[in-house]
Amino acid sequence: KQEVTQIPAALSVPEGENLVLNCSFTDSAIYNLQWFRQDPGKGLTSLLLIQSSQREQTSGRLNASLDKSSGRSTLYIAASQPGDSATYLCAVSGNTGKLIFGQGTTLQVKP
Amino acid sequence: EAGVVQSPRYKIIEKKQPVAFWCNPISGHNTLYWYLQNLGQGPELLIRYENEEAVDDSQLPKDRFSAERLKGVDSTLKIQPAELGDSAVYLCASSDPYSGGPYNEQFFGPGTRLTVL
Repeated sequence: KQEVTQIPAALSVPEGENLVLNCSFTDSAIYNLQWFRQDPGKGLTSLLLIQSSQREQTSGRLNASLDKSSGRSTLYIAASQPGDSATYLCAVSGNTGKLIFGQGTTLQVKP
Repeated sequence: EAGVVQSPRYKIIEKKQPVAFWCNPISGHNTLYWYLQNLGQGPELLIRYENEEAVDDSQLPKDRFSAERLKGVDSTLKIQPAELGDSAVYLCASSDPYSGGPYNEQFFGPGTRLTVL
């Protein structure tokens, strides 16, 4: 059974700092991995999707990497801003399309 | 392009009452998902539709939950009767595996927050 773990559960950093969020999964037979952002009381916004054959994806100040063999992904946020404060969720998908989510990392960026 | 639409956004009911949630996916997306998100947790899949066919409903508590997607477009999720433990956020998502873009990238609606008293 696939399990997804995110560490840390919460993170507080000063504005401008670079940071890394971690995601690990137990079964390396994934089709893709997706990082989401969730603001309080809101739905999920897709940030990056990495196919199983890819090593990383970049969008603006965000960079996500994938090491499928070790069951790990990281989300790197450069030059953090208060507007980045949210919960970040990673999820893995097999070829059925079902997403298995981690519990999320709640990020607070202080001005 | 409009995103995934869900209604209502909030619902408060007393236990044992019925409740229904509605979802309209992104136009052209033939795959629709319903997820349940408890406070402080990641979402968990309840049911997945390919067009009007439910292809994965193994996590749906069928004694009280039901879902339908009659014309392969919008969908309704129903709970009858609701229990205190059903208080959560119900999220709908859609995807289009044939779009040529990232396979199975899922797009989520804003969710319906259910409170059962």
